[in-house]
Formats: sequence, C-alpha cells, structure tokens
Amino acid sequence: DVKVTQSSRYLVKRTGEKVFLECVQDMDHENMFWYRQDPGLGLRLIYFSYDVKMKEKGDIPEGYSVSREKKERFSLILESASTNQTSMYLCASSLSLAVLSYEQYFGPGTRLTVT
Amino acid sequence: GDSVTQMEGPVTLSEEAFLTINCTYTATGYPSLFWYVQYPGEGLQLLLKATKADDKGSNKGFEATYRKETTSFHLEKGSVQVSDSAVYFCALTGSGGYNKLIFGAGTRLAVHP
Repeated sequence: DVKVTQSSRYLVKRTGEKVFLECVQDMDHENMFWYRQDPGLGLRLIYFSYDVKMKEKGDIPEGYSVSREKKERFSLILESASTNQTSMYLCASSLSLAVLSYEQYFGPGTRLTVT
Repeated sequence: GDSVTQMEGPVTLSEEAFLTINCTYTATGYPSLFWYVQYPGEGLQLLLKATKADDKGSNKGFEATYRKETTSFHLEKGSVQVSDSAVYFCALTGSGGYNKLIFGAGTRLAVHP
C-alpha cells in the first residue's frame, strides 16, 4: 500500500513564525502536491512538484514556498505565518505525469493554527 | 477555467436510504473524473473514477457515470450505512496537465441508524 505521511497532525504557531510542514511518500512517486482544505472551498492547490528540485505554483502560492531535495520528501514552508493561513494542509503524491487518470494518494493532513 | 460544482450539504439520511450527490463540471478537453471520500480525522482516499465518456466507476456499492452531454458525474448508492458518513469530493484532472486535480467544495453525508 502507498503510504503518505505528514510530520504533524496538529500544529500551533504564532504570527510571524517560520513554519515547516513535511511530507514523505514511500512509493517512488514522481509527483507530489500540497493542498489546503477550508470549509466550503474544498481543496486548493498551493504548489506541486514533478521531480526532485522542480516545483510549480498552484492556484494559491502566495505566502508559501516548497522544497523537494529528495524524491520521497516534499516540504511546505510558511515564511512568516499569518492568521489567514490557519487551515488543514494535505499532502498528496501520484505516480507519473504520463497518465492523467492516475489517482493521488493523500496523507492524513496537518491542522495548523496560527495565533 | 476548469471547475467542479457539487450539491451543498450536509446531506442527512437514514440507514438503507438511497443516496445521490450531484456533481457537474466545466472543462476543456477530456478530463478524467473522480470521487474521493474523507472519513473523520483522515486524509482523502479515492472512491471511484472514470476516464472517458459513458464510463461507469464503481466501488463499495457506490457508482457514478461520466456523462459528457450533461457534464455530470453524480454519485449514487442504493442503500447507505452509518459507516458511509464522511465528506465526499468530486474532482477532475485540470487541463493544465501535470496530473493536477480540481476539487469541488465537498458534500458532508451523515447517516443515522
């Protein structure tokens, strides 16, 4: 079974702090994704990566950056956390760009609260 | 741009009732369509998918048919159980490639005994 793990289930940070959210997948997937989930808005794509050191902006990249130094690990960075970044953050991975029907596998999520 | 519209929830049903959750989409090209489910406290998991027009995806008693003429992918189940209580998300592969998904807002289902 594909396993996607996220470093924390719950996180509380203060405004202005630098925050790191880590995601690891164990199935040698090429693609990795970061979403945020908010009530009534569904999931919105923040950033994704299709290879080591490669990244692309999603729909809402402002205030975030990412890092992918190894194939299995994809980090989301909040450079200076703000209260409007309080949300559930979900990481996902998928096998390849070659076939659009490949499913994405999701981690359990990190609920981040910024006070 | 590409988008997905789901019926608003919450949907509240008694056990063994029939379930329909409506999903319509706007897309260029020929997207693949998905239903994902999120149980309480968990991440999303794929429930079913369809990759071309008239395909029917099915899993765990749930079904959805890819209707290109009505741009719809409605989720149905003949007899729901309490254990089906969850949030259901309709999604499609966006036209921008890279295997990106575009999600609907989600529909919460609550099933009571």
